[in-house]
Amino acid sequence: DVKVTQSSRYLVKRTGEKVFLECVQDMDHENMFWYRQDPGLGLRLIYFSYDVKMKEKGDIPEGYSVSREKKERFSLILESASTNQTSMYLCASSPSSSGRAFETQYFGPGTRLLVL
Amino acid sequence: GQNIDQPTEMTATEGAIVQINCTYQTSGFNGLFWYQQHAGEAPTFLSYNVLDGLEEKGRFSSFLSRSKGYSYLLLKELQMKDSASYLCAPIDSNYQLIWGAGTKLIIKP
Repeated sequence: DVKVTQSSRYLVKRTGEKVFLECVQDMDHENMFWYRQDPGLGLRLIYFSYDVKMKEKGDIPEGYSVSREKKERFSLILESASTNQTSMYLCASSPSSSGRAFETQYFGPGTRLLVL
Repeated sequence: GQNIDQPTEMTATEGAIVQINCTYQTSGFNGLFWYQQHAGEAPTFLSYNVLDGLEEKGRFSSFLSRSKGYSYLLLKELQMKDSASYLCAPIDSNYQLIWGAGTKLIIKP
């Protein structure tokens, strides 16, 4: 069974803190994605990775960085958290090996981050 | 620019049929996904259309018209567990998914 896990379901941080969100998939997928989801908006892509140590900026990368040292793990880092980064963060993976992202994406349960 | 338009909220009755529409404008097109998302949970895959026409999968069907930039999701024999948000996501020329804001479907007994 397909499984994507995220390190926390709920997280409360203070402005200026460095925040790490971890995502792990056990399906040997090449592609991994980080999105944020806000009320009234569609999922917005922050970063994605199609291979170990590879990363590509999505639509809203500002204020974020990512790390993919191992195939199964994709980390999202908020260098200095701000209140406008309060959101639901969703990690996803897909099996494509071509760099194309149109194969079905499997999502983790999400991390609801509150920045005070 | 790229744009996805789907109704914000719909209400239907248990046992009935509902159609959720999605119109899109993208730079290029490489197919369209529908995902279901229950409140507080992750989106899960429902369907993928790349050719025009209707794809049926049990109680759920998805339709695509590429020339019209239009898709719909048809849910039959509605059950209370179908209460969820339904996300439309076409794929652009860069093979990126462009996500709609979702349609919140409320099922009443």
